[in-house]
Amino acid sequence: GAVVSQHPSRVICKSGTSVKIECRSLDFQATTMFWYRQFPKQSLMLMATSNEGSKATYEQGVEKDKFLINHASLTLSTLTVTSAHPEDSSFYICSARDGGVINNEQFFGPGTRLTVL
Amino acid sequence: AQSVTQLGSHVSVSEGALVLLRCNYSSSVPPYLFWYVQYPNQGLQLLLKYTSAATLVKGINGFEAEFKKSETSFHLTKPSAHMSDAAEYFCAVSEGGTGANNLFFGTGTRLTVIP
Repeated sequence: GAVVSQHPSRVICKSGTSVKIECRSLDFQATTMFWYRQFPKQSLMLMATSNEGSKATYEQGVEKDKFLINHASLTLSTLTVTSAHPEDSSFYICSARDGGVINNEQFFGPGTRLTVL
Repeated sequence: AQSVTQLGSHVSVSEGALVLLRCNYSSSVPPYLFWYVQYPNQGLQLLLKYTSAATLVKGINGFEAEFKKSETSFHLTKPSAHMSDAAEYFCAVSEGGTGANNLFFGTGTRLTVIP
């Protein structure tokens, strides 16, 4: 099956610093990638949708200047949390859709746990 | 617009007992429906999906779900629970047939299996 990886799996940073999270599709080309965040014991909330080579579409309430998304290739999307604060601590999960298969299935990465001190 | 309601944030069953996790959806177009499982500190793994074919869908690990349009439901079942089934389960809906594929997740149901 299709595999999506995320790096790092866990990151701890100081308040005010920026953190970059990578999402890679390992064995397929992902024309669309999605970024979610999940607070403890809550569901996944879609933050943004990114299509390769174009600007990401952010969900209402998500600050695009704080959560920078780059989808420069068909296998890589990055999420940069700029000037991170403790309230940004969360579990960030990406997913990717195979543009060559019309089946509406997203393949999820294992997630990145961000802790901001 | 699409939405999902999962009744029961926490379900406990005995090992070997029937597992029933409830999911009701709302969609303005024919939906695609999904069940995902999440183990602690991990991403989501697809259990099964309904994409307008057979209404009874069989998935991995012995799970199955039945799409009932009249009840707008897509409940997840497993005849006999195993300890390894303890996890968080999410129901999700997306628009079907239109090419849009944003997933809308329910709030999740934590399944506990009692030995």
